[in-house]
Amino acid sequence: GAVVSQHPSWVICKSGTSVKIECRSLDFQATTMFWYRQFPKQSLMLMATSNEGSKATYEQGVEKDKFLINHASLTLSTLTVTSAHPEDSSFYICSASRDRVPYEQYFGPGTRLTVT
Amino acid sequence: AQKITQTQPGMFVQEKEAVTLDCTYDTSDPSYGLFWYKQPSSGEMIFLIYQGSYDQQNATEGRYSLNFQKARKSANLVISASQLGDSAMYFCAMSGGYSSASKIIFGSGTRLSIRP
Repeated sequence: GAVVSQHPSWVICKSGTSVKIECRSLDFQATTMFWYRQFPKQSLMLMATSNEGSKATYEQGVEKDKFLINHASLTLSTLTVTSAHPEDSSFYICSASRDRVPYEQYFGPGTRLTVT
Repeated sequence: AQKITQTQPGMFVQEKEAVTLDCTYDTSDPSYGLFWYKQPSSGEMIFLIYQGSYDQQNATEGRYSLNFQKARKSANLVISASQLGDSAMYFCAMSGGYSSASKIIFGSGTRLSIRP
């Protein structure tokens, strides 16, 4: 099957520091990856769509300079939360899609970020 | 703009009973896809079932079936013979087309609790 991993699974950082979260497709090439955030007891909110080799497309209201997304290869996308603040604490989930398999997206296990 | 609405924040069901989770949607696109995902307490998103807007028959996957009523713009999930392991958060979601690169938006979710 199609497996997506995320690293780290959880991270605690101090306010003002930056945190990088990796999303990898382990057994397929992901032309498109998506990043979501989920607050406790809430739904997933799409943050951005990233395509390999091009700039990410951010959803309205998402700060591009704060949430840096890089899709450097067909198997790796990274989300960097810059100058993190406590309000950035959330569950971040990535998903990946592959060509020739219509409609399916494969979700990573998520990364829980806590900013103190 | 696309919108997904889940009006049941929580449901309690007796084990072995069937349960229907409601979902309505709104879109002006003629081509779209509808999904249901399960999110247990671990946080992972588990794909359950998919229905394309042009699919004539309702989708079924084991104990899951999607009651697709296009004119009413509803896509209810039916779980037959519920099990204790079905207790989780359930999200209805929609994509803008059949492409795997189409972004998915999620409803607010329904927390399903199965009573023994």
